[in-house]
Amino acid sequence: EPEVTQTPSHQVTQMGQEVILRCVPISNHLYFYWYRQILGQKVEFLVSFYNNEISEKSEIFDDQFSVERPDGSNFTLKIRSTKLEDSAMYFCASTEKDRNQPQHFGDGTRLSIL
Amino acid sequence: GENVEQHPSTLSVQEGDSAVIKCTYSDSASNYFPWYKQELGKRPQLIIDIRSNVGEKKDQRIAVTLNKTAKHFSLHITETQPEDSAVYFCAAKYSGGGADGLTFGKGTHLIIQP
Repeated sequence: EPEVTQTPSHQVTQMGQEVILRCVPISNHLYFYWYRQILGQKVEFLVSFYNNEISEKSEIFDDQFSVERPDGSNFTLKIRSTKLEDSAMYFCASTEKDRNQPQHFGDGTRLSIL
Repeated sequence: GENVEQHPSTLSVQEGDSAVIKCTYSDSASNYFPWYKQELGKRPQLIIDIRSNVGEKKDQRIAVTLNKTAKHFSLHITETQPEDSAVYFCAAKYSGGGADGLTFGKGTHLIIQP
């Protein structure tokens, strides 16, 4: 069964540095999402992306964050000037045809800010 | 925005017994309700979902019920097995224009006692 893949599985970064998290959505999927899960808390929506532009973003997704689909397969989340509170598990997800289809999640990237 | 409350936070049942996890949502416009299972350190995995045009959906040992009037939905797992042990998250979403992100509950840690 096709899966969403994410790299790296664990990223350790110094506070203030920039980090890029990478995702390869399922190949025929059209909508892409980023969520984060702070340890022990619920999964929170960050942003959705469709047709090479942001479709929806949450209050969490401020100017520190950006997303990009640099080629036909990758979907990236960039966090500038990282803060301690950015430490979390970041999940990428994708849906097949439209925003009403089930969202399939990747295994996540654990981001640790030191 | 949408707010999803989930209860209980921890549920311990004997192997073979049934487990019920309940969620309430605040936005009456929400019409899509998925349930995800997350094992330790793994991705949230979609196990069942329901749309607001039906009141119940079943898939083998798993069922979900929806009460639109009361704005609550429940996950039912029958004949529980050790591999059912995990954290279960409910979520809600409005499947309409511009609404992409899932709003998750805080999760229920289901423990199956042998």
